[in-house]
Amino acid sequence: EEQLVESGGGLVQSGESLRLSCAASGFSLSMYWIHWVRHSPGKGLVWVSRIDRDGTRTAFADPVQGRFDVSRDNVKQTVFLQMNALRIEDTGTYFCSRAGTQGFDLWGQGVQVTVTS
Amino acid sequence: SSALTQPPSVSVSPGQTAKITCTGETLANSYSYWYQHKPGQAPVVVLFQDTERPSQIPERFSGSSSGTTVTLTITGVQAEDEADYYCQSGDSSGTSDVVFGGGTKLTVL
Repeated sequence: EEQLVESGGGLVQSGESLRLSCAASGFSLSMYWIHWVRHSPGKGLVWVSRIDRDGTRTAFADPVQGRFDVSRDNVKQTVFLQMNALRIEDTGTYFCSRAGTQGFDLWGQGVQVTVTS
Repeated sequence: SSALTQPPSVSVSPGQTAKITCTGETLANSYSYWYQHKPGQAPVVVLFQDTERPSQIPERFSGSSSGTTVTLTITGVQAEDEADYYCQSGDSSGTSDVVFGGGTKLTVL
């Protein structure tokens, strides 16, 4: 079964850091771009970041540019989202998703990130 | 990046037809995708490339496109279709920006 599983979320204070992981199984991670998407009540789904197949090209939404970084280890079948200088508005459920020929065709179950003042 | 505008809510009775629109300049030259999102679950793609339906998605889900507006149509709505629906534009395997609409809450009365 093809699967993505996120981990690493938690409750942190403003200014602190978290590192999220997205572990893939059942398929070869190296064949796909991976995106991170945040869901929060009232804002819905918001695109956060993407990384290409071999990790050489990345991109970030403007609100997280310069604070977040994304990387991957295809041998370990894992993508990472390093979140620094966290802000209250970064709070939400973070999903990793696989970019296939039919859009984002596989999503993880999501991991909660809560940033307090 | 360009914004995508959706109505906040749509309500229909079971068996009726629900139409959810999504408008944005980027849709004039980019494919659209639609996702169904239920509380506590991962989003699921219900349409891709404007009108195509993944094999596991029921035939009652269909899509159309005209200029800068795309429409998700659910014909013969069922109670299980109650969810938030998001449109998305941009090439998820490329360098163009990925943008989601604000989402539409579909309520089945």
